[in-house]
Amino acid sequence: DTEVTQTPKHLVMGMTNKKSLKCEQHMGHRAMYWYKQKAKKPPELMFVYSYEKLSINESVPSRFSPECPNSSLLNLHLHALQPEDSALYLCASSQDGRLPRTGELFFGEGSRLTVL
Amino acid sequence: GENVEQHPSTLSVQEGDSAVIKCTYSDSASNYFPWYKQELGKRPQLIIDIRSNVGEKKDQRIAVTLNKTAKHFSLHITETQPEDSAVYFCAASSPRTLGFNKFYFGSGTKLNVKP
Repeated sequence: DTEVTQTPKHLVMGMTNKKSLKCEQHMGHRAMYWYKQKAKKPPELMFVYSYEKLSINESVPSRFSPECPNSSLLNLHLHALQPEDSALYLCASSQDGRLPRTGELFFGEGSRLTVL
Repeated sequence: GENVEQHPSTLSVQEGDSAVIKCTYSDSASNYFPWYKQELGKRPQLIIDIRSNVGEKKDQRIAVTLNKTAKHFSLHITETQPEDSAVYFCAASSPRTLGFNKFYFGSGTKLNVKP
């Protein structure tokens, strides 16, 4: 299984709603990532979990709250978002980059978020 | 930190021609350089990658070259086909002591292959 699975594929929410994005991988990867991507732009790193610990928070507003319940799952909790938060949210995973011949980033299909 | 620059931002070629996209990086610690293809509305997909101990890698019509001294790497697509039309991103990364890789992406190149 070389898949990173994200749900939901599409999400429309109001600015007062609370919702969550979910990501799952069964490749034994110990690093998991959340990226935000706007149209015609590269993916922009939000959070990195390594061995279930938050390793990077790229100064993301607190209305985005990540959670890593176990080594296979990654969630992104959304609350009181703004219309400018509308984007494609990509989850990714990778092997421990210190191991030889590793480092490839595996992306999920993404969750297309629209904030009204 | 690392800075990756990618050129050109758009590239139009005739079907059958070659396309070349170039990236430069700044951090000599970067040791892994993937290239991603992203079609409209889809996820980025790895098409080829190269590590810092290799100068060139080829996979059918796609090749990547790396010049560590000059800190640049390039994607070469030969015999382009309309289905090669997409946005291409280069990236540079190095492993962190905590076990993950931090990836720095170029700004992307929109390739249009005209039939």
